[in-house]
Amino acid sequence: NAGVTQTPKFQVLKTGQSMTLQCAQDMNHEYMSWYRQDPGMGLRLIHYSVGAGITDQGEVPNGYNVSRSTTEDFPLRLLSAAPSQTSVYFCASSYSDLGGYEQYFGPGTRLTVT
Amino acid sequence: QKEVEQDPGPLSVPEGAIVSLNCTYSNSAFQYFMWYRQYSRKGPELLMYTYSSGNKEDGRFTAQVDKSSKYISLFIRDSQPSDSATYLCAMILSSGGSYIPTFGRGTSLIVHP
Repeated sequence: NAGVTQTPKFQVLKTGQSMTLQCAQDMNHEYMSWYRQDPGMGLRLIHYSVGAGITDQGEVPNGYNVSRSTTEDFPLRLLSAAPSQTSVYFCASSYSDLGGYEQYFGPGTRLTVT
Repeated sequence: QKEVEQDPGPLSVPEGAIVSLNCTYSNSAFQYFMWYRQYSRKGPELLMYTYSSGNKEDGRFTAQVDKSSKYISLFIRDSQPSDSATYLCAMILSSGGSYIPTFGRGTSLIVHP
């Protein structure tokens, strides 16, 4: 199993550009989440999904969109990039109804917005 | 005030020392408690989880939860340089059937030879 994969690993955007961060998992997990990690701020939940077709907002959803058309994929879209979105983005998945505690994280995408 | 407080460190200890990492929380409805380890430029990985007050041991690691004081700890015995990483505590608050974790900011641990 590849686990949780994320692409790209690195990305530089100009302010106002849009892009999609890809996340895929091959473990048939129902729960998937997107986090951003900033120095001194820890992991903050952006959006999450409890199954295909179902998504919900986390702590910091503004400026991001998600959709979940398949169990495997959970892309994160930046609509109009801003310097405040410079961060490391992690995707995670889990198989339990207790979606939090056995999360498997991807390697992250380092995004810089200039 | 964040719901979960964690000292960012860094915490620097000599090899072989006993390490104590701690988190406090304000919401008594948190039910499950986890510790994640994150190496530099990697994603977090689950180290331990527990849902009851008391201790849970796994090799050199012991997780301790005190719900009455809203305080959790991770102890590392015989610390090794390979334990150098950031340790994140996380807690789950059941919300409408979806379990959403809240993370602490992480404590950076450095174990020097």
